[in-house]
Amino acid sequence: GENVEQHPSTLSVQEGDSAVIKCTYSDSASNYFPWYKQELGKRPQLIIDIRSNVGEKKDQRIAVTLNKTAKHFSLHITETQPEDSAVYFCAAMDFGNEKLTFGTGTRLTIIP
Amino acid sequence: GAVVSQHPSRVICKSGTSVKIECRSLDFQATTMFWYRQFPKQSLMLMATSNEGSKATYEQGVEKDKFLINHASLTLSTLTVTSAHPEDSSFYICSATDSRDSGNTIYFGEGSWLTVV
Repeated sequence: GENVEQHPSTLSVQEGDSAVIKCTYSDSASNYFPWYKQELGKRPQLIIDIRSNVGEKKDQRIAVTLNKTAKHFSLHITETQPEDSAVYFCAAMDFGNEKLTFGTGTRLTIIP
Repeated sequence: GAVVSQHPSRVICKSGTSVKIECRSLDFQATTMFWYRQFPKQSLMLMATSNEGSKATYEQGVEKDKFLINHASLTLSTLTVTSAHPEDSSFYICSATDSRDSGNTIYFGEGSWLTVV
């Protein structure tokens, strides 16, 4: 099955700086890579996603890059704000089976 | 947009009893739903795939006789934790995919906190 690794587990950045979280996956059949933000005790919130036919996607301060050959993808948050503080999860899925495999999570703390 | 609703949001039960958690797709039909478990400060781990009208498919290491899944209709899947023990205390969350749009959007329920005392 799919295995998704995520680094770092914790990340602290100064407000206004950029944050980068990286994930690798093992199953070459995976073709969908969402990123989620999760508040304690709440459902994961999709913040951005990318499909395997695209190498990069951007939505305002958030961007995701995908390297299919190396099987890794990254989340980039620019101009970080205190409200960006949360736990972030990457995930990988094969649309063929719809099974979502999550990374181990990154606790991001924005220092005012 | 499509909504997946989960109930109850919080439940406390005594050790040895069973508890049922419901997951409903409110405005779309879901032939497949997924159940995840999340322990504190850990990631979401897929427990099983709930298939409408057929048996659920369990992930390795998940006891099918302990975590009973019933997907009796296209909008409802239930997870029953049988003979619950304190180590079953966790955040349980379901998801379903709305395939009506080409995006195959994944929707999560609100999650259910289970505490076994």
